[in-house]
Amino acid sequence: GAVVSQHPSWVICKSGTSVKIECRSLDFQATTMFWYRQFPKQSLMLMATSNEGSKATYEQGVEKDKFLINHASLTLSTLTVTSAHPEDSSFYICSAKTSGRRQTQYFGPGTRLLVL
Amino acid sequence: AQSVTQPDIHITVSEGASLELRCNYSYGATPYLFWYVQSPGQGLQLLLKYFSGDTLVQGIKGFEAEFKRSQSSFNLRKPSVHWSDAAEYFCAVAFNAGNMLTFGGGTRLMVKP
Repeated sequence: GAVVSQHPSWVICKSGTSVKIECRSLDFQATTMFWYRQFPKQSLMLMATSNEGSKATYEQGVEKDKFLINHASLTLSTLTVTSAHPEDSSFYICSAKTSGRRQTQYFGPGTRLLVL
Repeated sequence: AQSVTQPDIHITVSEGASLELRCNYSYGATPYLFWYVQSPGQGLQLLLKYFSGDTLVQGIKGFEAEFKRSQSSFNLRKPSVHWSDAAEYFCAVAFNAGNMLTFGGGTRLMVKP
């Protein structure tokens, strides 16, 4: 149980275009999902917390108009990188948090974005 | 300030040898503790977690971790390492009820044949 998927796993796009990444909890409902960014050989950097039915909470330094987050259902959150530029190239990972007393984050397989 | 430290950036062990990866945290109370593993180009897989109770926690793939309150540590161990264990290991800590995770810097494990 507790499986999280991400789609696509790889995306290459031209500079100036927008890219949407989906994060789905497959076998549980998640009122809260998280979006992380990971640079090569580094740890994860939390970008934002996605709450079902409400606005996302962004970490300091993360542009909310650049990284649009929508958590429209209890099993789906999307991250849209708007007007992507080469510096947005990175590995993006989402996680979904279980509910209840022992809340645990389960991670998706990640999406590698390359902006040309 | 709350923080998580993994003192070892790289560790190399021989296949079949025992393994211990260190994790220390700084926090005034007992946090929730997690170990995740990441293979190259992949997401993170949960190995084990500690919330309360028995301080020795068993996880998947033969891993275990021990919470030591006096040392603010949650070290990951495996008695006999397999070549497939080569990966990046992250210790993560949730310092509050909202369960935002703070990650350590990671430890890259290499396994010699």
